[in-house]
Amino acid sequence: GAVVSQHPSRVICKSGTSVKIECRSLDFQATTMFWYRQFPKQSLMLMATSNEGSKATYEQGVEKDKFLINHASLTLSTLTVTSAHPEDSSFYICSASTRVANYGYTFGSGTRLTVV
Amino acid sequence: AQTVTQSQPEMSVQEAETVTLSCTYDTSESDYYLFWYKQPPSRQMILVIRQEAYKQQNATENRFSVNFQKAAKSFSLKISDSQLGDAAMYFCAYQKKSSGDKLTFGTGTRLAVRP
Repeated sequence: GAVVSQHPSRVICKSGTSVKIECRSLDFQATTMFWYRQFPKQSLMLMATSNEGSKATYEQGVEKDKFLINHASLTLSTLTVTSAHPEDSSFYICSASTRVANYGYTFGSGTRLTVV
Repeated sequence: AQTVTQSQPEMSVQEAETVTLSCTYDTSESDYYLFWYKQPPSRQMILVIRQEAYKQQNATENRFSVNFQKAAKSFSLKISDSQLGDAAMYFCAYQKKSSGDKLTFGTGTRLAVRP
């Protein structure tokens, strides 16, 4: 089945630095990639939607200059948290949508970001 | 805007028994998809079951089945013969039926399975 590989699974960074999270679709072409953020014991909140080769669409309240999303190819999307602060600590999950199987969704395994 | 409501923050079931998780949603669309996802402690999102709104027949996947009431905008998940491995967070989700549209998630129900 469709697999999305997300890396790193865990990352700790210092305040003020940037962190890049990658999501790769291993055996299919991801038409659309969604990036979610999940706080402890809460639901997934959509941050942005990206389509290959075009700019990401950010949800209201999400700072596009802080959370940079690049979807340069049909198999790779990246989320860069710039100038990270402790309040950015969270669990980030990507999800890929493909034209195959009626635009079914496949989720990455998530990245736990801790900013110290 | 579409909203998804899960009114049960936590549920508990005895192993081998049956449990039903509730979900309601609000939409003005007539055709859409509904999903139940499972998120175990590993936090990997796993698709449990999917329902297309135009299909009247309730979806089933082995021990998992749904009760889809379109007029009432209700989409409950029934887990039969509960197993310890079913313990997880369960999220109900809605997707408008357009190409690659986003999922809207409910707040989740944490299911505990008692041995």
